[in-house]
Amino acid sequence: EIVLTQSPATLSLSPGERATLSCRASQTVSTLLGWYQQKPGQAPRLLIYDVSNRATGIPARFSGSGSGTDFTLTISSLEPEDFAVYYCQHRNNWPLAFGGGTKVEIK
Amino acid sequence: EVQLVQSGGDLVQPGESLRLSCVGSGITLNNYLMTWVRLAPGKGLEWVSSIDGSGGGTYYADSVKGRFTISRDISGNTLYLQMNSLSADDTAIYYCAKGRGQLPYWYFDLWGRGTLVTVSS
Repeated sequence: EIVLTQSPATLSLSPGERATLSCRASQTVSTLLGWYQQKPGQAPRLLIYDVSNRATGIPARFSGSGSGTDFTLTISSLEPEDFAVYYCQHRNNWPLAFGGGTKVEIK
Repeated sequence: EVQLVQSGGDLVQPGESLRLSCVGSGITLNNYLMTWVRLAPGKGLEWVSSIDGSGGGTYYADSVKGRFTISRDISGNTLYLQMNSLSADDTAIYYCAKGRGQLPYWYFDLWGRGTLVTVSS
């Protein structure tokens, strides 16, 4: 079973700043990792699949990178609507798994 | 509008059972990998169970294996999660979600609004 560890748990930033979120896998998942955004009271939204592919309608300020065990989600310039919790998810094998989440909050 | 409409959440006592439903509106669920994901209070997302588009394969998290059963009713365009022997650890918002319509399928691009399951005496 692959465990995904996200860091930091909380990221305090101001609008316009760059956000860098990390996801580390307990064993290699190759490039089979995606990212979701969740806001309070809402369902998650798929942002990125297979490391760096933006899902439909996702703005270009969201980008992903990495391979193997270490992955990064970057938000180039935070917009007010980007303050939320972000989760990584692997699809390397069953069971699928999500990371514990990183909350991006307004500083 | 394409959406997943969820129902079935409730307050139940430990040891009891509950069945969650997820109906496709404007979309045929049988064509997709479908999944249940939960969000417990103060915790992160947890993958619970998935069922292949063909319905032939089902997959479960260790935490629910042997207690939960995922299934679908093709004619009713409905996904189910039968939950037995519930405990307080199962308290969460349960989301149904649809896999992508093209490869790779194992990411989820349409989600229900969630239904709350509370297990408490």
